[in-house]
Amino acid sequence: DQQVKQNSPSLSVQEGRISILNCDYTNSMFDYFLWYKKYPAEGPTFLISISSIKDKNEDGRFTVFLNKSAKHLSLHIVPSQPGDSAVYFCAASELSGGGADGLTFGKGTHLIIQP
Amino acid sequence: DSGVTQTPKHLITATGQRVTLRCSPRSGDLSVYWYQQSLDQGLQFLIQYYNGEERAKGNILERFSAQQFPDLHSELNLSSLELGDSALYFCASSVSGGAFGELFFGEGSRLTVL
Repeated sequence: DQQVKQNSPSLSVQEGRISILNCDYTNSMFDYFLWYKKYPAEGPTFLISISSIKDKNEDGRFTVFLNKSAKHLSLHIVPSQPGDSAVYFCAASELSGGGADGLTFGKGTHLIIQP
Repeated sequence: DSGVTQTPKHLITATGQRVTLRCSPRSGDLSVYWYQQSLDQGLQFLIQYYNGEERAKGNILERFSAQQFPDLHSELNLSSLELGDSALYFCASSVSGGAFGELFFGEGSRLTVL
């Protein structure tokens, strides 16, 4: 049973426009959420995170929104650039529980930025 | 460069065989995590070690085992290999024992079982 779901395997966006990647989770104990970015032949790299006490966190062109009642988070990239083409993984953790169960990852969304 | 080193990068072996994947964490990181990424699957958490001790277990098969040595490097042993074990195996490290922070991933070891 997938506790973190990324329902869009791929997303194509024009350069300069906004990219919105979505993630849903089912475990209400999750209280810390992260986005990782992965290029081919490389390991995932941390992008941005958000704690459940917030509903928004911004870092440059990247903003993560959290809707706890809907158990939904999204990553916005504005403006999208060619270098943003990668696979994006949503991940969740139980911070209050010590997070000792490892991060739970979604299957990823392949973002393709079209010139 | 994340600072996490995994070897080998690629490995091809036959069913029934045993392999060992190695991971050197970032300098100063005490926690090591192993993840498996199969085709069309997300990153599946296998196991975590913190300062030499097993800290958490995920979806790790009984045919798989891991350990973390005093110098903090870790090895993942995969035995009685099956075709379905073909996957990318990632190691990640972090300073703390809790998986709430940023994990630093290696480039992965791609295992192909024929």
